[in-house]
Amino acid sequence: GQNIDQPTEMTATEGAIVQINCTYQTSGFNGLFWYQQHAGEAPTFLSYNVLDGLEEKGRFSSFLSRSKGYSYLLLKELQMKDSASYLCAVRERSQGNLIFGKGTKLSVKP
Amino acid sequence: GAGVSQSPRYKVAKRGQDVALRCDPISGHVSLFWYQQALGQGPEFLTYFQNEAQLDKSGLPSDRFFAERPEGSVSTLKIQRTQQEDSAVYLCASSPGTGGAGYTFGSGTRLTVV
Repeated sequence: GQNIDQPTEMTATEGAIVQINCTYQTSGFNGLFWYQQHAGEAPTFLSYNVLDGLEEKGRFSSFLSRSKGYSYLLLKELQMKDSASYLCAVRERSQGNLIFGKGTKLSVKP
Repeated sequence: GAGVSQSPRYKVAKRGQDVALRCDPISGHVSLFWYQQALGQGPEFLTYFQNEAQLDKSGLPSDRFFAERPEGSVSTLKIQRTQQEDSAVYLCASSPGTGGAGYTFGSGTRLTVV
């Protein structure tokens, strides 16, 4: 079966660092994606990992361990505008659909 | 166009009514996906097209749901005899189909069945 788990909600302080974890169990693996979604808006792409290790892009980094079925999204220097839902998604096969977790709602407080 | 366009943005339907939701993908994108997103949940896969061919419809919840992409560009998701449980945001995404990271989502159609 398919299962993607991430925390439902997290709260952090402006300027701080937050790590959002994601664990997955899928039939196949062809990439792990992180999306940001503000309420009422489209999910927007943040990062993509297909090999183990850390991918850094500005204030956002994403880590993948395929052997552990584990990823995290690291957000540094948090800003109020980072308050949103963060979606972890796995693609089981090349060119296939994405399987999403339920999302983590992040609230950034002053 | 520059992005994925979906219409209408909002739709209110009476229970039992048929609805049609439209998705205009990024020009040249081979792959097109439909997802259903309930409030506070992640998107759930409905169906997938590669050009005009519907390669996977395993996520469609019942035979009241039907999708088409006759010319390999615009796609329509049709829901017949809508029920309250169909209330959700319907998201469309397109990708070049090359296996990379380039999935682009539209803003969705929020369907409310009353």
